[in-house]
Amino acid sequence: GENVEQHPSTLSVQEGDSAVIKCTYSDSASNYFPWYKQELGKRPQLIIDIRSNVGEKKDQRIAVTLNKTAKHFSLHITETQPEDSAVYFCAAPLTGTASKLTFGTGTRLQVTL
Amino acid sequence: NAGVTQTPKFQVLKTGQSMTLQCAQDMNHEYMSWYRQDPGMGLRLIHYSVGAGITDQGEVPNGYNVSRSTTEDFPLRLLSAAPSQTSVYFCASSPDLAGGYNEQFFGPGTRLTVL
Repeated sequence: GENVEQHPSTLSVQEGDSAVIKCTYSDSASNYFPWYKQELGKRPQLIIDIRSNVGEKKDQRIAVTLNKTAKHFSLHITETQPEDSAVYFCAAPLTGTASKLTFGTGTRLQVTL
Repeated sequence: NAGVTQTPKFQVLKTGQSMTLQCAQDMNHEYMSWYRQDPGMGLRLIHYSVGAGITDQGEVPNGYNVSRSTTEDFPLRLLSAAPSQTSVYFCASSPDLAGGYNEQFFGPGTRLTVL
């Protein structure tokens, strides 16, 4: 099955700096890679996703890049703000099924003033 | 729309007790799923369903049962609670039958403690 590894587990940046979170996956057939944000005590919510037919996708201050050869994808947050503080999860579908999603173990991002 | 709702928000059980976590969605989504969230382990899939009458196992199904009699509801049953089932449980739904390939909408979660 799919194995998704996420790094770092914690990340602290100053307001205005950029943050990068990286995930690697094991199944070369995977073709959908979402990122979820979970604020403290809240539910996870999708913030951006990418499919394997593109290498990069942007939405305002967030972007996701995909390197299929190296089997990794990354979340980039620019001009970080205190409200970006949260836990971020990457995910990828399990091998051979469109119905199962494997999540990474999460990155706790702290944006300091 | 209320989206995905879960009850209860909090629950404390004794070892060996059984209970049902409720999940409902009003978005007419065919795909529904249950995850558990433990510190440092992310979200792990317990069971999922691609429509009424159809359920299947996820990564960590042992100790849990599900059923899907209607499109709207997807209850999760703990048969005989164990301390290892202490966790936060999230229900999610997706507008696409291929729920692993599309956005999943999560409920607010149920925090379960088993003593």
